[in-house]
Amino acid sequence: DTAVSQTPKYLVTQMGNDKSIKCEQNLGHDTMYWYKQDSKKFLKIMFSYNNKELIINETVPNRFSPKSPDKAHLNLHINSLELGDSAVYFCASSQWTWRLGPDEQYFGPGTRLTVT
Amino acid sequence: DQQVKQNSPSLSVQEGRISILNCDYTNSMFDYFLWYKKYPAEGPTFLISISSIKDKNEDGRFTVFLNKSAKHLSLHIVPSQPGDSAVYFCAASPSNAGNMLTFGGGTRLMVKP
Repeated sequence: DTAVSQTPKYLVTQMGNDKSIKCEQNLGHDTMYWYKQDSKKFLKIMFSYNNKELIINETVPNRFSPKSPDKAHLNLHINSLELGDSAVYFCASSQWTWRLGPDEQYFGPGTRLTVT
Repeated sequence: DQQVKQNSPSLSVQEGRISILNCDYTNSMFDYFLWYKKYPAEGPTFLISISSIKDKNEDGRFTVFLNKSAKHLSLHIVPSQPGDSAVYFCAASPSNAGNMLTFGGGTRLMVKP
């Protein structure tokens, strides 16, 4: 009964290919995120969706396109993969509250993408 | 330009002793600070947080201290246990964009039995 799951866990592909990473949460949360952990180990937010609407869209190449078919799913599609896209991608979810401060985010186990 | 920095990539501590993990930030707009813990092949899990109106928050063996004037926070683990061995990430957010977390690069803690 994994709370936040991602598939695949590992993805090895060649430059120029298009790939997708899927994320699902069974926590009943209404907000989902994608983070990228680069080679220097920094976790950087890429996107956030609340109730299927995009609310955070950081400076990310247009080749990255998130899609949220429903509140429980947030998929990440990447076109024309480049070497620099190699990283670990984490999905996360939280329940939006109106209190000040961040809501607790629950992370998936990550997807290690290697572009050769 | 990293707004949240964890200058020690690793820390080794004996079981039962205190572990002190440090974090510095540069953005004065940050109002909330969090610590996440990460085991290999797993995602980060929330550990403890503190808002800028406090200078200390305690939860069991974990205490976070905040020094706003120095833009510095630290996580104390007392006593340290081997199961605490993990990578610890510091994160910060401004109150007007609460879910916009900025993470540091992490510190790997190794607690030796």
